[in-house]
Amino acid sequence: RKEVEQDPGPFNVPEGATVAFNCTYSNSASQSFFWYRQDCRKEPKLLMSVYSSGNEDGRFTAQLNRASQYISLLIRDSKLSDSATYLCVVNDRGSTLGRLYFGRGTQLTVWP
Amino acid sequence: EAGVTQFPSHSVIEKGQTVTLRCDPISGHDNLYWYRRVMGKEIKFLLHFVKESKQDESGMPNNRFLAERTGGTYSTLKVQPAELEDSGVYFCASSQVRRDRTYYEQYFGPGTRLTVT
Repeated sequence: RKEVEQDPGPFNVPEGATVAFNCTYSNSASQSFFWYRQDCRKEPKLLMSVYSSGNEDGRFTAQLNRASQYISLLIRDSKLSDSATYLCVVNDRGSTLGRLYFGRGTQLTVWP
Repeated sequence: EAGVTQFPSHSVIEKGQTVTLRCDPISGHDNLYWYRRVMGKEIKFLLHFVKESKQDESGMPNNRFLAERTGGTYSTLKVQPAELEDSGVYFCASSQVRRDRTYYEQYFGPGTRLTVT
């Protein structure tokens, strides 16, 4: 069983749309949760951390449900520049000091 | 501030040959990680250095892979002899430790794309 499962997509949405990605993780001891963004043939870059209470950064909202071991990312008012692969990432320690477990990524294309 | 750098960006070698990948972390970052993405799969952890010590090498696939970080600065990952299944993108990441041990982002390098033919 994979540590982190994501719907691979692809998601193709028009500009201005709202799109949601979901992710589940298998290790109930996981403590830190993140969404990374990866552009084609580039390195992963941290988009946002995910906190138990849910958190928002501009057009992006992340939610965590520990009981269901479920993480989500909502993107509102999609922009062309949001086109990328979104990686759900978990860490089984309370900081980034340890190894990260990645999902396979969800591909998003925003069209004009 | 310079980011994580990796060399080479691409490498094409024949099965049975040796390849050495290099990673230069962000200056002052004690934590250095190697990850690999095989085509069609997720990015997977290989190992973690804290300064020059191997903190966790449980992700190394087999003894054909050897990682070093002499002096606690740059790191090398050697594959000897290379096999076809070693093809993929090898990422290096680094992070720093706060005194209060709170979260600190892992910064990734651009990766080395390794093709074994």
